[in-house]
Amino acid sequence: AQKVTQTQTSISVMEKTTVTMDCVYETQDSSYFLFWYKQTASGEIVFLIRQDSYKKENATVGHYSLNFQKPKSSIGLIITATQIEDSAVYFCAMRPPRTGYQNFYFGKGTSLTVIP
Amino acid sequence: EAAVTQSPRNKVAVTGGKVTLSCNQTNNHNNMYWYRQDTGHGLRLIHYSYGAGSTEKGDIPDGYKASRPSQENFSLILELATPSQTSVYFCASGDAGTDNNQAPLFGEGTRLSVL
Repeated sequence: AQKVTQTQTSISVMEKTTVTMDCVYETQDSSYFLFWYKQTASGEIVFLIRQDSYKKENATVGHYSLNFQKPKSSIGLIITATQIEDSAVYFCAMRPPRTGYQNFYFGKGTSLTVIP
Repeated sequence: EAAVTQSPRNKVAVTGGKVTLSCNQTNNHNNMYWYRQDTGHGLRLIHYSYGAGSTEKGDIPDGYKASRPSQENFSLILELATPSQTSVYFCASGDAGTDNNQAPLFGEGTRLSVL
């Protein structure tokens, strides 16, 4: 069974600090694909960053980076130098590699509040 | 610019009525998806499509139908709406192509209330 779990319901951090959001997943596939999305207060869902499980190096895009620990089935999102506009709900998602099946499994999200 | 547009953005329906949610994408993506988002459940897949003419059941298809008449358009149909279908619905599109891991792009969402 495929499952994605985000245990942190909400986090508050001071502006300009670094925050890490946790995500663990369950899969029986040896390779898979992991994604992080951001949902703003307006409801918009925006793709942030992706990690392919066969890649050992952690993905980085702008001030977003990932802490991928495959043995622990863990994909943490790190946001450095947080800004007020980073306040949002962050979702982790996983997609198994099987051709012909396109579902992305989403966690329930972590709400981030950046305090000025 | 890649875009996924949903209509209507807000809808109030009566129990037992028919509701159609529409989605249009200008990304020329093969895959399209319908999700619903509820507090405590996150995003759950209702139906998806690989291309014009195809529809596939997701994890929670009961009470919903889907239609993909063209590459650009993907509709979600509630034939007999029930209050349990009150939710926020998101359409998304993505491309298999040579990189079938491309993350889906989401529409703005449709807030549906069934009274």
